[in-house]
Amino acid sequence: GENVEQHPSTLSVQEGDSAVIKCTYSDSASNYFPWYKQELGKGPQLIIDIRSNVGEKKDQRIAVTLNKTAKHFSLHITETQPEDSAVYFCAKSYQKVTFGTGTKLQVIP
Amino acid sequence: DTEVTQTPKHLVMGMTNKKSLKCEQHMGHRAMYWYKQKAKKPPELMFVYSYEKLSINESVPSRFSPECPNSSLLNLHLHALQPEDSALYLCASSNSGSSVETQYFGPGTRLLVL
Repeated sequence: GENVEQHPSTLSVQEGDSAVIKCTYSDSASNYFPWYKQELGKGPQLIIDIRSNVGEKKDQRIAVTLNKTAKHFSLHITETQPEDSAVYFCAKSYQKVTFGTGTKLQVIP
Repeated sequence: DTEVTQTPKHLVMGMTNKKSLKCEQHMGHRAMYWYKQKAKKPPELMFVYSYEKLSINESVPSRFSPECPNSSLLNLHLHALQPEDSALYLCASSNSGSSVETQYFGPGTRLLVL
C-alpha cells in the first residue's frame, strides 16, 4: 500500500495545449497529496497540493482533482508554456511522503 | 522566505573519505528531512528529524549519520561510502512534521563516490 503509480512517464505537448498527469494509490490513510515540479539541477518545488477533504483545487493554469473513493488524483496544466517543461512528481502523505515515479513533460514551442 | 539552503552543491569523495553535507532553513520549521534521489527516480526518504529528535530512519546504512545541532541546521555525515551511494541528496523542512504539511526542498548536493 506504499507505492504511488504515475502515468505517463513522458509527455510531449505543443505550446498552448493542455497536459494531464494521473496518479493512483492503494491505502486509505493518506490525507495529503502534493505535486512537485523538478527542473534540471534543482530540488523539487511544490506547485499545488490538495487535502483529502477537498475534491478539486485550482491555481491559475494549474488544477488538481482528487477522487478519494477511487484512490486517484490528477494534475491538469492548461495553456502550457515552454517553461513548464520539467519532471513532475505526484506524492501522497500519511506519516511520511511517498513520491510517484515522475513524468517528464516537454512543451514544444 | 521559503528557502532551504544546502552546501556543498557538488561533492566528489573517495570510499575512505569522511565528509559532511549541510542544510539550513530559517523558516522556523521544526521538522527536517534527508532524501536520496538517483537519476530519473523519485526522492527516497532517508531520515526525519522532528523537534531536533530523530523520528524516522528508513533503514539507512550506518555509513550515513544524520545530526541536528539545532532547529535550523541539519547535517549528514558520510563515511566509507560506496560508488552506489552516488546520488543527489536533498534536504527538506516543514512546519512541525505533520503529514498534511508542505515540505520545502533545497537544491540538493550532487555526490559522486569514486
